[in-house]
Amino acid sequence: QSVLTQPPSVSGAPGQRVTISCTGSSSNIGAGYDVHWYQQLPGTAPKLLIYGNNNRPSGVPDRFSGSKSGTSASLAITGLQAEDEADYYCQSYDTSLPRLFGTGTKVTVL
Amino acid sequence: EVQLVESGGGLIQPGGSLRLSCAASGFTVSSNSMSWVRQAPGKGLEWVSVIYSGGSTYYADSVKGRFTISRDNSKNTLYLQMNNLRAEDTAVYYCARDRVGTTPSFDSWGQGTLVTVSS
Repeated sequence: QSVLTQPPSVSGAPGQRVTISCTGSSSNIGAGYDVHWYQQLPGTAPKLLIYGNNNRPSGVPDRFSGSKSGTSASLAITGLQAEDEADYYCQSYDTSLPRLFGTGTKVTVL
Repeated sequence: EVQLVESGGGLIQPGGSLRLSCAASGFTVSSNSMSWVRQAPGKGLEWVSVIYSGGSTYYADSVKGRFTISRDNSKNTLYLQMNNLRAEDTAVYYCARDRVGTTPSFDSWGQGTLVTVSS
């Protein structure tokens, strides 16, 4: 079964840098498909945060950045702020599933 | 301004049927690929189905044979017909627009509609 694995939670103090990993396999990320990231604030719909591995839509602060290597990808948040407390999901394509989400990571600002 | 508004959710008994709607504005549904994504209470996002601009449709294994995605071009609206509903289909259902790219992402989302399957 295709899966993109993320850590259930990460935390950091305001101003710190946190990273969220997204581990896939040779049928998705490792096959060369792009990785996208979404932010879901409590009680709201997801919002596209990073597309195409490392591109930010208009309006997304440059504190958010993405990277991809091999079968994994990462989202970094620098200068962590209280408003960044949310759930974050990676998403890609899999040879057996046209759209595939990661398991999700809750970011807590200490 | 791009806007997606879902409707049609509610409480339904196991085995029942429900049709969700997603009214779009600010763009043409038929010119884009559109998906349904769901989120069970306290759980993560799960892709459910996609309809491509050309009309091809695909489904997650968990709903294949029970759910049908469609669109009405005249109403600029996306639908999800859900039959033989199960308790595990309980979730907030979002419609989302694909952002064109080598690997599609979702650049616009609706606010979601809650489907509760329970007796």
